[in-house]
Order: sequence, then structure tokens, then C-alpha cells
Amino acid sequence: EIVLTQSPGTLSLSPGESATLSCRASQSVSSTYLAWYQQKPGQAPRLLIYGASSRATGIPDRFSGSGSGTDFTLTISRLEPEDFAVYYCQQYGSSMYTFGQGTKVEIK
Amino acid sequence: EVQLVQSGAEVKKPGESLKISCKGSGYSFPSYWIGWVRQMPGKGLEWMGIIYPGDSDTRYSPSFQGQVTISADKSISTAYLQWSSLQASDTAIYYCARHPPYSSGWVRFDFWGQGTLVTVSS
Repeated sequence: EIVLTQSPGTLSLSPGESATLSCRASQSVSSTYLAWYQQKPGQAPRLLIYGASSRATGIPDRFSGSGSGTDFTLTISRLEPEDFAVYYCQQYGSSMYTFGQGTKVEIK
Repeated sequence: EVQLVQSGAEVKKPGESLKISCKGSGYSFPSYWIGWVRQMPGKGLEWMGIIYPGDSDTRYSPSFQGQVTISADKSISTAYLQWSSLQASDTAIYYCARHPPYSSGWVRFDFWGQGTLVTVSS
């Protein structure tokens, strides 16, 4: 099973700042099989990025994904108040899906 | 508009059985996989399994194999998650989510249901 480790656990930032979230895999992951989700309190997760770098429909361009192999990054430029949430990376491999433990982006 | 609408919250006692549902609309239900994801209180997301309603091909996470049963009825565009004997540790929110065919080359859960809260307590 591929384990995804997200860092940091919590990111305290102010609106307008940029956020860089890391997702590291225990073994190489195909970029096609790496996605990012946003979850706000009391809501279902929402797909942000798939294929490591493709934005899902309706996702603002301040969200961007990058990376390959075992290291992937979600960048949020110019944080808006609605961006403060928990973010999860997810991979697919060997007929299994795994999620990272999440990074909480909170208002400083 | 693609929608996944899940059944309502449940309160059950340990040892009871339960079947929750996820109804899809706005797309060809048989042609997309439906996954189930658990979120225990205050915790992260865990993939449980996935089903292709077109032919009921089902795959389970090893962590949930034998603990739950995933099924679907394509005639009514509904997927199910069921337990034969609940435990207190099954208390969680359960989400269903749509997944494109693997033949598309994309791996993603692109639409999610609103979640079903299952509480198991004596």
C-alpha cells in the first residue's frame, strides 16, 4: 500500500498570502493518478486538482498542482477567506486508493 | 447537473444491520464508478471500496473487505453500502463519490454526495 504523507499538518496564514502544501508518497506514483481535494467543515470534499496539475471544473486559477514521482505540491496563491479549509492528496495504485492525512490551512 | 444524493442520518445499536444509499442523477449512472469513503469523527478520509454499476464489478480496500458490502441497482441509479453487524467503531460520516471509467485515463472522485452520518451506540 502506498502511504501519502502531507506536510505541514497545519498552515497558519493570512488572506492574500500564498500557501504551499506538500504530499510525499512512500513509492513512486503516476502523475495521472494524483489528486487534491478541499474539505470545509460540515461539507463533503471537493475535487480541486487531478492528474497532479489539472484543475477541476470551476476551480479558480489561484490553485495549482505540480510534482512527479514521490513529491507533489498544491499551491494556493493569494489566499481568499473561502480557501481556509483542510486539503487532502489522494493517489491510485495497485487497484487501491489512499489519502494523505490532510493539511489544515487556518487563518493566522 | 450531476448530483449524488445520499440517504439520511442513522442511529443504530451495536449488532444491528444497516444499508445506506446513494442516488445518482444528471449523468449515465451505469457508466461511472461509485466509490465509498469513510470519515471518522475529526479524522481524515479513508477509501472503502468502489463499484461499477454497469456490471457490478466491485473492489474493496483490504481494510474493509469482509466488513461491508457494496452493491448497486442501475435500474434506479442507486448504490448501496451495507453492514450486517454494526460496531461502535463504525460511527462515522460515509460519502459516496463518482469516478470516471478507468478507460478515460483519469483517476479522480469528481462529484460527491452530501454524506450520511452513521452513529452506533448502545
